[in-house]
Amino acid sequence: DGGITQSPKYLFRKEGQNVTLSCEQNLNHDAMYWYRQDPGQGLRLIYYSQIVNDFQKGDIAEGYSVSREKKESFPLTVTSAQKNPTAFYLCASSTRYNEQFFGPGTRLTVL
Amino acid sequence: GENVEQHPSTLSVQEGDSAVIKCTYSDSASNYFPWYKQELGKRPQLIIDIRSNVGEKKDQRIAVTLNKTAKHFSLHITETQPEDSAVYFCAADNYGQNFVFGPGTRLSVLP
Repeated sequence: DGGITQSPKYLFRKEGQNVTLSCEQNLNHDAMYWYRQDPGQGLRLIYYSQIVNDFQKGDIAEGYSVSREKKESFPLTVTSAQKNPTAFYLCASSTRYNEQFFGPGTRLTVL
Repeated sequence: GENVEQHPSTLSVQEGDSAVIKCTYSDSASNYFPWYKQELGKRPQLIIDIRSNVGEKKDQRIAVTLNKTAKHFSLHITETQPEDSAVYFCAADNYGQNFVFGPGTRLSVLP
């Protein structure tokens, strides 16, 4: 079954804690992306990667970090430096100049 | 970089009427323009897309038009149904590196 998956579906973070969101795809896509979506708002790009071992900052990268060690995986770490991380996080993948496929999302809440 | 504007931000139509959402983009180098539908709490899903060498594309009740000279593209939904109620996002590719999304339009189809 081809697709893009994210885990966990829900995540709770305590103050000062780092948490990592998982994103995996078996679509053989080169590019992967992370977006943040606040309630009633649009999609804001956090980081993106066009190729293994390379990634670029998006519009709101501060307080986040990523890695791209494998083509299939693009985990996102929300660090304690991100002061307001409560949001819906969406991962996506694509081939160049083609549609993005989105994962089901992770809803992060700060306790 | 690319910038995408989208109007209106909210749109209410009677069931069976048509709905039109318009987007403008800033960078004439953009070549690929997808439209996504996002239902509440779910992931965005592609509903239609258009490339720069095409002026119009249709898929049943949904159509997209592109005017490259004026740098705008529009989504047309005919014979709207309650299940069309959702948030719709337009996007434009950004030199093939990532995508820039519009802020979204919340469509409500009233029975």
